Amino acid sequence: SQTIHQWPATLVQPVGSPLSLECTVEGTSNPNLYWYRQAAGRGLQLLFYSVGIGQISSEVPQNLSASRPQDRQFILSSKKLLLSDSGFYLCAWSVTAGTYEQYFGPGTRLTVT
Amino acid sequence: AQSVTQLGSHVSVSEGALVLLRCNYSSSVPPYLFWYVQYPNQGLQLLLKYTTGATLVKGINGFEAEFKKSETSFHLTKPSAHMSDAAEYFCAVTSRGSYIPTFGRGTSLIVHP
Repeated sequence: SQTIHQWPATLVQPVGSPLSLECTVEGTSNPNLYWYRQAAGRGLQLLFYSVGIGQISSEVPQNLSASRPQDRQFILSSKKLLLSDSGFYLCAWSVTAGTYEQYFGPGTRLTVT
Repeated sequence: AQSVTQLGSHVSVSEGALVLLRCNYSSSVPPYLFWYVQYPNQGLQLLLKYTTGATLVKGINGFEAEFKKSETSFHLTKPSAHMSDAAEYFCAVTSRGSYIPTFGRGTSLIVHP
């Protein structure tokens, strides 16, 4: 069966510090991968998605970036965090054909202070 | 472009009462439709999906949804609410051939004893 991991689970970082969130998927090959953010009291915002190694599409211009160094690894980064980067970050995967339902990781709670 | 509207950011029911969460979508062609549930501080979990065929779809935890093309709706129901159903529910739409879903803003289900 497939599983998706995210770490860390929680993170408190000062403004201006760097960020690295990691997501890995097990039990499937060549998945589509996604990063979402949930701000408090708001819905899901798609940040990045990837259909293959090194292929990243950005949905929202901001100070975040994403990379996919391996088939089942997706990393979200920032060089300098802003207060507005606080939120709940979710990684998800889907198959590359069919109905594309998404399977989500447990999330990372980021608080920028 | 497609869109998803979830009527009511909060729905409150008594334990044992009917649950009805509304979802309407706009799409030029019949899309794939999904309901996800999110418990506090967790990722989203797929409840059910409609792709083709029977318009009444059964999901996990006793939930079901009916695709009504003429009404462009995909409302989620459960005959009898349980305290454990308290969560955030998201309706999502994906165009056939696309792997990027459009999510509604979510409905928070509150269950009173």
